[in-house]
Amino acid sequence: SQTIHQWPATLVQPVGSPLSLECTVEGTSNPNLYWYRQAAGRGLQLLFYSVGIGQISSEVPQNLSASRPQDRQFILSSKKLLLSDSGFYLCAWSLVGGRTPNYGYTFGSGTRLTVV
Amino acid sequence: RKEVEQDPGPFNVPEGATVAFNCTYSNSASQSFFWYRQDCRKEPKLLMSVYSSGNEDGRFTAQLNRASQYISLLIRDSKLSDSATYLCVVNPKGYQKVTFGTGTKLQVIP
Repeated sequence: SQTIHQWPATLVQPVGSPLSLECTVEGTSNPNLYWYRQAAGRGLQLLFYSVGIGQISSEVPQNLSASRPQDRQFILSSKKLLLSDSGFYLCAWSLVGGRTPNYGYTFGSGTRLTVV
Repeated sequence: RKEVEQDPGPFNVPEGATVAFNCTYSNSASQSFFWYRQDCRKEPKLLMSVYSSGNEDGRFTAQLNRASQYISLLIRDSKLSDSATYLCVVNPKGYQKVTFGTGTKLQVIP
């Protein structure tokens, strides 16, 4: 069965510090991978998605970046965090294509980031 | 108009009640539809897909109305454990990414 791992669960970082969040998927090959952010009391905002190794699409301009160095690894990074980067970061995967109606997204357990 | 719109609620209902949520979408070419459940401070989890013919899973029934461009979720015999935020998800541009609604909060009261 497929599993998705995301870490760390919580993180408190000072403004201006770097960030690296990692997500790995097991039990599937060539998945679509996604990074979402959810601000407190808000909806999910898609940050990046990737359909393959080295292929990254950015949805919103920001000081974050993403990389996919391996098929089942997705990394979210920042060189200098801002206060506004605080939020709940979620990694997700879906099957490539996902044409059939019952193919949804599976989320990792998330990282709660607080920038102080 | 937003791609996906939901009433944020909260919907406060007594145990045993029936409650329904609607979600409207703007892109008539949308292909796939889902309902997710998100508990407080947790990740969203797939509740059910929404099929064109409508589908049921226990106390939950999902419907799709393409003509009016909305999907619905009906919960019968509400349980305290149903308290959560329900997210509507629509695949408007193909199958590489989807759009999430901002969610409808349900609170089931004893």
